[in-house]
Amino acid sequence: RKEVEQDPGPFNVPEGATVAFNCTYSNSASQSFFWYRQDCRKEPKLLMSVYSSGNEDGRFTAQLNRASQYISLLIRDSKLSDSATYLCVVNPYSSASKIIFGSGTRLSIRP
Amino acid sequence: DVKVTQSSRYLVKRTGEKVFLECVQDMDHENMFWYRQDPGLGLRLIYFSYDVKMKEKGDIPEGYSVSREKKERFSLILESASTNQTSMYLCASRSTGGRGELFFGEGSRLTVL
Repeated sequence: RKEVEQDPGPFNVPEGATVAFNCTYSNSASQSFFWYRQDCRKEPKLLMSVYSSGNEDGRFTAQLNRASQYISLLIRDSKLSDSATYLCVVNPYSSASKIIFGSGTRLSIRP
Repeated sequence: DVKVTQSSRYLVKRTGEKVFLECVQDMDHENMFWYRQDPGLGLRLIYFSYDVKMKEKGDIPEGYSVSREKKERFSLILESASTNQTSMYLCASRSTGGRGELFFGEGSRLTVL
């Protein structure tokens, strides 16, 4: 089993739709969780951290479910500019170098 | 604003050449990383440094070496470039404290002919 698993997609949704991605992780001791966004041929950029209580940033909502070991990202009222690959990133507490990346979920928003 | 700068965005080299990729961060971060990213393989860690002159091998260190003489600078060296090292190389840094978010440079796209 992979340490971090994401549905690779692609998700192809119309502008204005709501879309959600999940990401599962295998290490129950993992401490920090993030969503990164990566545009084609560009570097990953931090979209948002994921906090235990869930957190929202504008149209984006991130949630953590420790019992089931997954994190989620919800995008409301999707825009054309949301088209990108979304990477789930998990940071196990014990090692500074051991940062685990999901393989990414591709999202394409159509007009 | 946080800044990780990679010296070259695009490079074309010949097989056997020595290649230097440089990365500088201005956030006083202790930890710096070199990754490569290939289609279908995701991000793979090449080397990691947690302090000046300190380094650890990542998942795919073969064919690479690194240098960290100053806290803000982390260099990746390909002693003798090969075609299978054609890739996107990403430098990143992060603080030891806090939540540990990674900040990436813009990437260096290397083509080895």
